[in-house]
Amino acid sequence: EVQLVQSGAEVKKPGESLKISCKGSGYSFTGYWIGWVRQMPGKGLEWMGIIYPGDSDTRYSPSFQGQVTISADKSITTAYLQWSSLKASDTAIYYCARSNGGFDYWGQGTLVTVSS
Amino acid sequence: EIVLTQSPATLSLSPGERATLSCRASQSVSSYLAWYQQKPGQAPRLLIYDASNRATGIPARFSGSGSGTDFTLTISSLEPEDFAVYYCQQRSNWPHSFGQGTKLEIK
Repeated sequence: EVQLVQSGAEVKKPGESLKISCKGSGYSFTGYWIGWVRQMPGKGLEWMGIIYPGDSDTRYSPSFQGQVTISADKSITTAYLQWSSLKASDTAIYYCARSNGGFDYWGQGTLVTVSS
Repeated sequence: EIVLTQSPATLSLSPGERATLSCRASQSVSSYLAWYQQKPGQAPRLLIYDASNRATGIPARFSGSGSGTDFTLTISSLEPEDFAVYYCQQRSNWPHSFGQGTKLEIK
């Protein structure tokens, strides 16, 4: 069974760093792109970026380039999304998803709350 | 960057009726378009990929059509569980943008 399991909710202060994770199982982790999607409170889906764990090829949306870093560790079948300095406007649910035609499997989402 | 525009923003229908949702791309995406359903508190679910292919386990009442810049998601006869927000997404060009969503609500 394909599963993407994300790390738990986080509460952070502005300026702090954060790395959230997405562990894949039940399929060949290195054979599919893994994407990250932001959903701000009450808003729509935003495509942030994507990584191919097989060779770490990574693409970013211009809206998120330089704001976040996407990485993957294929030895532990885990993808990551990280921030070096959070802002209040980063408060959102972040989803990881496997790309296969469309995003066919999704993680449960990680709620990130940034507040002073 | 390709912009996807969904219409209408909100669609009010009754169970049993037919729903037609539209997604228009700012430039051709060939057939590289997907549709998702999202219910409150849940992750999105893939319904249709590559414009017209139903994802695994998706009921036959959901169908997709179109190519190039104009796409349609049709729900032939609405069930109570179909009332949700629907998004389109293209994977023709980076970034693989989403539309802004159509909320399908009960009339």
